[in-house]
Amino acid sequence: EPEVTQTPSHQVTQMGQEVILRCVPISNHLYFYWYRQILGQKVEFLVSFYNNEISEKSEIFDDQFSVERPDGSNFTLKIRSTKLEDSAMYFCASSADRSSYEQYFGPGTRLTVT
Amino acid sequence: AQTVTQSQPEMSVQEAETVTLSCTYDTSESDYYLFWYKQPPSRQMILVIRQEAYKQQNATENRFSVNFQKAAKSFSLKISDSQLGDAAMYFCAYKYAGTASKLTFGTGTRLQVTL
Repeated sequence: EPEVTQTPSHQVTQMGQEVILRCVPISNHLYFYWYRQILGQKVEFLVSFYNNEISEKSEIFDDQFSVERPDGSNFTLKIRSTKLEDSAMYFCASSADRSSYEQYFGPGTRLTVT
Repeated sequence: AQTVTQSQPEMSVQEAETVTLSCTYDTSESDYYLFWYKQPPSRQMILVIRQEAYKQQNATENRFSVNFQKAAKSFSLKISDSQLGDAAMYFCAYKYAGTASKLTFGTGTRLQVTL
């Protein structure tokens, strides 16, 4: 069964460093999402992406964040200058088309900022 | 803005018993979806069950069923014949039926299953 994959599973970085989280969505999916979950809290929407453009972004998704689909398979989330409060689990998700209700989640990347 | 509320931070159930997790939501939309996701200690998000708002019939997936009350904006999850593997965090989520719309999650209910 096709699945969303994410790398790395765990990333440790120092405050102020740039990080890139990588996701490979399901191959025929067109819509892509990033969500964040701070430990012990709910899952929060960051951004959605379609046709090489951001469709929607949350207040969390400020100028420190960017997303890109650099090729036909990868979908990346970049944090330019990490802060301690960026420590969280980051989930990538994808859905097939505009009528699809289901978003398929990857296993997540745990980001630890020290 | 849509909101999802889960008022039970923790619930406990004995193995083989039935438990109901509560969820309420607020939206001005008429066309939307509701979901329950399970998050085990691995933190993977696993879809348990979904409900389309236009459907009156409550969704059922094996031991999992929902009680969807559209007028009351209530969406509870019933787990029958609870198993040890059901122990996890459960999140209720809302999604507007529009294109590429986001999921809005509740704060979650931690379910413990005891022998």
